[in-house]
Amino acid sequence: NAGVTQTPKFQVLKTGQSMTLQCAQDMNHEYMSWYRQDPGMGLRLIHYSVGAGITDQGEVPNGYNVSRSTTEDFPLRLLSAAPSQTSVYFCASSYTETYEQYFGPGTRLTVT
Amino acid sequence: QKEVEQDPGPLSVPEGAIVSLNCTYSNSAFQYFMWYRQYSRKGPELLMYTYSSGNKEDGRFTAQVDKSSKYISLFIRDSQPSDSATYLCAMSDPNTGNQFYFGTGTSLTVIP
Repeated sequence: NAGVTQTPKFQVLKTGQSMTLQCAQDMNHEYMSWYRQDPGMGLRLIHYSVGAGITDQGEVPNGYNVSRSTTEDFPLRLLSAAPSQTSVYFCASSYTETYEQYFGPGTRLTVT
Repeated sequence: QKEVEQDPGPLSVPEGAIVSLNCTYSNSAFQYFMWYRQYSRKGPELLMYTYSSGNKEDGRFTAQVDKSSKYISLFIRDSQPSDSATYLCAMSDPNTGNQFYFGTGTSLTVIP
């Protein structure tokens, strides 16, 4: 199993550009989520999904969109990048209603 | 007020020392309590979890939950240089789905 994979590993965007961060898992997990990690702020939940076709907002959803068309994939879209979205983004997955989340390696995003 | 508070450190100890890491929280509905370890430039990985109150031991690691004080701890015995990492506490309320709330993390360095 590859576990949770994320692409790209690094990305630099200009203000106003859009992009999609990719996340995939091969563990047949129902639950997937996106976090951002900033110094002094810890991991904050952006969006999550409890299964294909179902998504919901987390703590900091503004400026991000998600969709879940398959169990395996959960892309995160930045609609119009802003410098405040400079962060490290982690995707995670788990079986629904369990405590053990598996995290991907992260995407380091810089918005200039 | 943040849902979860964690002293960011940094914490530096000599090899073989006992390490105590702590988090406090405000939401009395939290039932799942987890500790994650995150090495530099990697995704977090689950170390231990506990459900409700009590202690749990796994090798050199012991997790404690005191719900009356809204306080959780992770103890590392006989600390090793390989334990050098950032330790994140996380909590969830099972009645609100799989939303996990993370502390900011404590950076630990074990000096050989």
